[in-house]
Amino acid sequence: GESVGLHLPTLSVQEGDNSIINCAYSNSASDYFIWYKQESGKGPQFIIDIRSNMDKRQGQRVTVLLNKTVKHLSLQIAATQPGDSAVYFCAENWGPGYSTLTFGKGTMLLVSP
Amino acid sequence: NAGVTQTPKFQVLKTGQSMTLQCAQDMNHEYMSWYRQDPGMGLRLIHYSVGAGITDQGEVPNGYNVSRSTTEDFPLRLLSAAPSQTSVYFCASSPGLNSPLHFGNGTRLTVT
Repeated sequence: GESVGLHLPTLSVQEGDNSIINCAYSNSASDYFIWYKQESGKGPQFIIDIRSNMDKRQGQRVTVLLNKTVKHLSLQIAATQPGDSAVYFCAENWGPGYSTLTFGKGTMLLVSP
Repeated sequence: NAGVTQTPKFQVLKTGQSMTLQCAQDMNHEYMSWYRQDPGMGLRLIHYSVGAGITDQGEVPNGYNVSRSTTEDFPLRLLSAAPSQTSVYFCASSPGLNSPLHFGNGTRLTVT
């Protein structure tokens, strides 16, 4: 399985490629999803979010796709840069409160110049 | 704005010692929370607060106490440190439910 800093799934891409990072979420009741980026030694940084009434949302160089049928979330990064190298993880909120926000373990993205 | 500020960045404790991890935010966010991050696991919620004077337990609250006397500050107290509390601790805040969390840069704690 995935782990922070150990045995993380890794995606290696070349600079300029498009990257796709996937996340299988666990609860069909989840109605809010977030992608975070975490660089080594730093806290998670918000990238983009999406609510369950949407299938797609775009930001600057990033797109999030939500497939509720198969409980799948993906993050697409266009024209990947070395500065995009980090651990990316998704979070889902499956309940009505703050305590129901659940985080995935992450995928490490490595971008070669 | 400084965002979410955590101190200290690193700490080493002996088993049985107590300490307080500090967290402050300057965004006037009502919601604040503490997470721990361990290898092999996603972030796990320790305690959270939906406003000054209100706190509640998360998934892994044992061994930790919190208080929220002001909107800005949300300290996390370790009562009697144990090796199982060796982890990276993150404080986060948000303006409301289903809004993105803003994280601090973490405190790396080692308990020997």
